[in-house]
This record gives sequence, C-alpha cells and structure tokens, in this order.
Amino acid sequence: EPEVTQTPSHQVTQMGQEVILRCVPISNHLYFYWYRQILGQKVEFLVSFYNNEISEKSEIFDDQFSVERPDGSNFTLKIRSTKLEDSAMYFCASSGDLREASEQFFGPGTRLTVL
Amino acid sequence: SQQGEEDPQALSIQEGENATMNCSYKTSINNLQWYRQNSGRGLVHLILIRSNEREKHSGRLRVTLDTSKKSSSLLITASRAADTASYFCATGPWGFQKLVFGTGTRLLVSP
Repeated sequence: EPEVTQTPSHQVTQMGQEVILRCVPISNHLYFYWYRQILGQKVEFLVSFYNNEISEKSEIFDDQFSVERPDGSNFTLKIRSTKLEDSAMYFCASSGDLREASEQFFGPGTRLTVL
Repeated sequence: SQQGEEDPQALSIQEGENATMNCSYKTSINNLQWYRQNSGRGLVHLILIRSNEREKHSGRLRVTLDTSKKSSSLLITASRAADTASYFCATGPWGFQKLVFGTGTRLLVSP
C-alpha cells in the first residue's frame, strides 16, 4: 500500500541553525501538507501546497519557514533559524484529489529537537 | 476558540468491550476525519465522514456525525489490546484544505 515517507526520523540541531525536513508524498497525490505536534499538545496545521505554490498557511508559518517541491517526488520544509520552541514532531501529509473532503494520509513524522 | 474537543480525555476498558469516543467542534465543516496515533508515532487515518453523511462503518469502526449538534462519535466494537492508542478527530472547515485537530482521547485496552 502506498505511504508517505519522511526523513530523517529524528533531527537534533542547535538553536539558530537551518534544518530541512524531507517528505515523499504518495505518488499520485496533488495536495501536500505540513503539520506539527509539540509534545503533549494538539497537532497543528502549518501549510498546504498545491500546484507548486502555497495554498494555505497558518500563523505559525512565518518567514522562518518555507516549503519546496524541488522535484517530482520530494516535498521539503525548511526552518531557517531554529528556535527552542520549534522542537516538535513534524508530520507531512498528502491527499489525492481536488475535492475538499478527501482523506489526508500522514507520514511517520520527524522529531526535531532544538538545543 | 477550541475546535475539536474529544471526550473522554482518557478511557480504560477490557478487551472485548466497546469503546466510544466523542468529538465536538464549533465551526461549520465539510468533513470530519478520525485518526489513531500510537505513542510517539505517526497518525493513521481511520475514516472520513462528509458533512452530508450521518453514519459510516469500516470494519469494527462506526462513526456518526450530527452537524446540528456539531458533534461526532467513534465507536470501536469488540476492542483488542492492539487498539490501545490515542484517537483524534480532525475537522475540515468549509473552503479550506487544512485539518483542525482535537485534543485526543487516550484509549487503553487491557487484556
């Protein structure tokens, strides 16, 4: 069964460093997303991406964040200058079609630890 | 305002019993999805129910949606120890692709 994959599974970085989190969405999907979950808290939406541009973003997704689909398979989230409060589990998700009500399938997550 | 509040926050049952989890939300939605998360792991999609649907089944799962009360329930029948996990509802607001997640119910199924 097709699945969303993410690398690395765990990333440790120093405050102020740039990190890139990588995702490979399900191959025929059209919408891509990033969410995050701070330990013990809700899963929060960050950004959605369709047709090579951002379609929605939350207040969390400020100028320190960017997303890119550098080729036909990868979808990346970059945090330019990490802060302690960026420590969280980051989930990539994808959904298949243009209907608003379509299932979003999540990857296993990348645990980001900022020291 | 909080969107997607599940109750109970925690539920402990014996294998073979049914587990019912509830979700309430505040805004108009296009769809509602339920996910399972094992401790520290990814989110597994369980079921999607659209705003014009009232009930949906998938295996041992039964989901209901009452848009007039802005609530949904997830019933797991004949629970197993492997069902132990956190369960989240996630709402899809009209006009948006994003999902808004609830606080989750931690389910513990004892053998």
